[in-house]
Amino acid sequence: GNSVTQMEGPVTLSEEAFLTINCTYTATGYPSLFWYVQYPGEGLQLLLKATKADDKGSNKGFEATYRKETTSFHLEKGSVQVSDSAVYFCALSRWLYAGGTSYGKLTFGQGTILTVHP
Amino acid sequence: DSGVTQTPKHLITATGQRVTLRCSPRSGDLSVYWYQQSLDQGLQFLIQYYNGEERAKGNILERFSAQQFPDLHSELNLSSLELGDSALYFCASSVGRDPSYGYTFGSGTRLTVV
Repeated sequence: GNSVTQMEGPVTLSEEAFLTINCTYTATGYPSLFWYVQYPGEGLQLLLKATKADDKGSNKGFEATYRKETTSFHLEKGSVQVSDSAVYFCALSRWLYAGGTSYGKLTFGQGTILTVHP
Repeated sequence: DSGVTQTPKHLITATGQRVTLRCSPRSGDLSVYWYQQSLDQGLQFLIQYYNGEERAKGNILERFSAQQFPDLHSELNLSSLELGDSALYFCASSVGRDPSYGYTFGSGTRLTVV
């Protein structure tokens, strides 16, 4: 089946440090890949996405490249800020077929807690 | 404000009770998804609706049910509540059925069963 594995947290960094959160996936075919972010007390927000191999998603200084050969979608940021403290979720989406019906499914990793200190 | 509205924000109830969580999707979105987030299980997909029809079920217990109404709002009903049902329940919406466009999440309902 489809699954997403993220590096275990929590991750604690000092402000302006380099961030990498690893994400690997298992899926048949060509899924779309996402990073969502959840700030304290809020719902998940789409951070960036990539829909095909070698695509790079970017937003707010964060980047991730869809690597089909390594089935990975690692999240990176060159210089983190205190305001980046949040939980980050890697996810993949696929079309599935069951009982004569097609539907899209979004599968999340377990989340990585990031804390950035001043 | 994401445009997805969930009510109530907080709910405290006793074991054995029944509660209803409500979700209004973002304007124009036809698909609604329900997720449960707990510390030990992470983010679990419960159920999905498109334009009033159930499209997919995930790890939803038989004690739980949901529906999407003609005005596209959705309700998640949780009955015979147990302590283990305490969690954050999120609703998300999307324009169509293609998940590659991403979902818009509400801020969640925090359910505490005592």
